[in-house]
Order: sequence, then structure tokens, then C-alpha cells
Amino acid sequence: KAGVTQTPRYLIKTRGQQVTLSCSPISGHRSVSWYQQTPGQGLQFLFEYFSETQRNKGNFPGRFSGRQFSNSRSEMNVSTLELGDSALYLCASSLERSYTDTQYFGPGTRLTVL
Amino acid sequence: KQEVTQIPAALSVPEGENLVLNCSFTDSAIYNLQWFRQDPGKGLTSLLLIQSSQREQTSGRLNASLDKSSGRSTLYIAASQPGDSATYLCAVKPGGSEKLVFGKGTKLTVNP
Repeated sequence: KAGVTQTPRYLIKTRGQQVTLSCSPISGHRSVSWYQQTPGQGLQFLFEYFSETQRNKGNFPGRFSGRQFSNSRSEMNVSTLELGDSALYLCASSLERSYTDTQYFGPGTRLTVL
Repeated sequence: KQEVTQIPAALSVPEGENLVLNCSFTDSAIYNLQWFRQDPGKGLTSLLLIQSSQREQTSGRLNASLDKSSGRSTLYIAASQPGDSATYLCAVKPGGSEKLVFGKGTKLTVNP
């Protein structure tokens, strides 16, 4: 069974631009979560989707948004990029209720903002 | 607010040594605790998940314990190998939440 896939793997953008990252969960998984990882802050929760609905949102500005499609694939969008948005963005999927299930992470998208 | 701390931040050991990584959390109201491994520039690999009702989980040379009342977990690695070199992350799932709260990790180096 294929794991969680994320595209693209690497991105370079300039300040003010916007970016869209994509995540395909493990087949059959319906919960998708997004995390931002930086050297200073570590891993921080962005948001979680289940059946196309956002169930939880972390403490990030409104420039960060996401959505989930009927096939459970998810996208996150960051508008008006800032230098501090440079990070590894990780997506994780789980079967149903993420609080009981193991979360499986993808390889991440490395975003660099210049 | 749930906080997770991992000590030490870095650890270097000779091959073959048994070692313990520590994780502590401030709020005992958790659904589960998960240990992950992260290789440089890569995503996270789940190692062990311990539900709040469990005391420990084992997988091969890895054993993780959970003491919810004291807010502590340990990851025991037996007979360490150079291939075990990575950053090990501990994460808890707070009660009533869908998110994981992570520690900053312990960077392990196993020297041949």
C-alpha cells in the first residue's frame, strides 16, 4: 500500500507570492492533518480535515488555509508569503478518528521564501 | 496548554549500547502518545503508539513506556546500531483534540 505522498517536494517562492501544496493520504484514510516544521519552533499543528470538513485549526494567521476533496486528498494554501513561512510542511493521514489512530506522515514539502 | 519536553536534546553513543530517550508532558489528559523517527530532511516515521490505557508497547529492539499520571514516557532502544542515528520525536494527542503536540526531539548519533 502506497504511503502518504506530497507534491511538490521542493518549492522556492518570493515574498508576497502565494503557494499551494498537495497531499494524498494512504488509500482508505479519511483524516488529513498538516504541520509546519521549523528549526526554532519545531513541529506545529496547522489544521486537520475529515470528510471534507475542517475539524481543528492551529494558531496560524488566516493566510494559511486548506481544503479536502471527496477523495480525501488535501491541499493547503499560503497567501502573501513571508520570509518566516520558510519551513518543511508535513502532511499526515489516519483512518478515521485521528485521536485513536496512528498518524502516518508524508515526506514533506520544503518551502523556501526569498 | 499541553507542553512536551524531550531530554536530552542530543545524544551520542557507541554502537551496541542500550539507551533511553525521555519525554515528559504537562497535562496527563491525553488520548495517546506516539514516538516518531525523523531522518535529516525527511518526513516522520511512526515507531510506536501507546494508547492512554496502555503502559507500554514493543516493536523489535524498541520499547516505549507510558506513565500518564506522572506525565512521562521513555523510549528504550536495545543494542543500538549506526542505522538508528536520527532525530526521535515524542508527540501526545491531548484529550478532546485532533492535533499532535510535539517535543523538540532528541538527536541520536550511534558511532560505529
